[in-house]
Amino acid sequence: EVQLVESGGGLVQPGRSLRLSCAASGFTFDDYAMHWLRQAPGKGLEWLSGIVWHSGSIAYADSVKGRFTISRDNANNSLYLHMNNLRIEDTALYYCAKARGPWLQNSFGPWGLGALVTVSS
Amino acid sequence: QSALTQPASVSGSPGQSITISCTGSSSDVGGYKSVSWYQQHPGKAPKLIIYEVSDRPSGVPDRFSGSKSGNTASLTISGLQAEDEGDYFCSSYTNRAQWVFGGGTKLTVL
Repeated sequence: EVQLVESGGGLVQPGRSLRLSCAASGFTFDDYAMHWLRQAPGKGLEWLSGIVWHSGSIAYADSVKGRFTISRDNANNSLYLHMNNLRIEDTALYYCAKARGPWLQNSFGPWGLGALVTVSS
Repeated sequence: QSALTQPASVSGSPGQSITISCTGSSSDVGGYKSVSWYQQHPGKAPKLIIYEVSDRPSGVPDRFSGSKSGNTASLTISGLQAEDEGDYFCSSYTNRAQWVFGGGTKLTVL
């Protein structure tokens, strides 16, 4: 069974940094692209970033480009999201999701349960 | 403002069919087969129910079906059941190698 467990969320002040992790199990991690998405309280879904199986192709949403960095460690079945210069509007539940194939254009699912990030002074 | 346009809400009675539309452009929905639909129940993570316009992951009932015409994708749920109530989101891959979502549709089963 696929399991995705996010960690690293918490309360952080505007302008500070945070690193989210996603521990994956139940599938061959380096066969699949992975993604980060988020959902602000009471709002819709927003895709943030994706990384292909070999890390050779990475994409970001315009809202986080230059501030967030996605990476993966295939040896440890882990996905990361480094978030710099956090803003109040970055407050959300952050999800990692497994793609259905190795490429960015493959749909994603399942998703983890999410990690809550609150940006506030 | 979301990149893809969905109706804010739809409703139907048990046993009926409903359709949710998702309108984009030739840069996303109209240009790619990578169109997906997600179901989300309150307090839960989204669940993939349709991928590549019309394919269903294993375990998703065949009451759920997807289609696309031009720049508009559609999700149809036939034989509505109470458990189908929730939020539904469409998403599409784009020509900028990004994914975009619709604003979501709240389905109420009357």
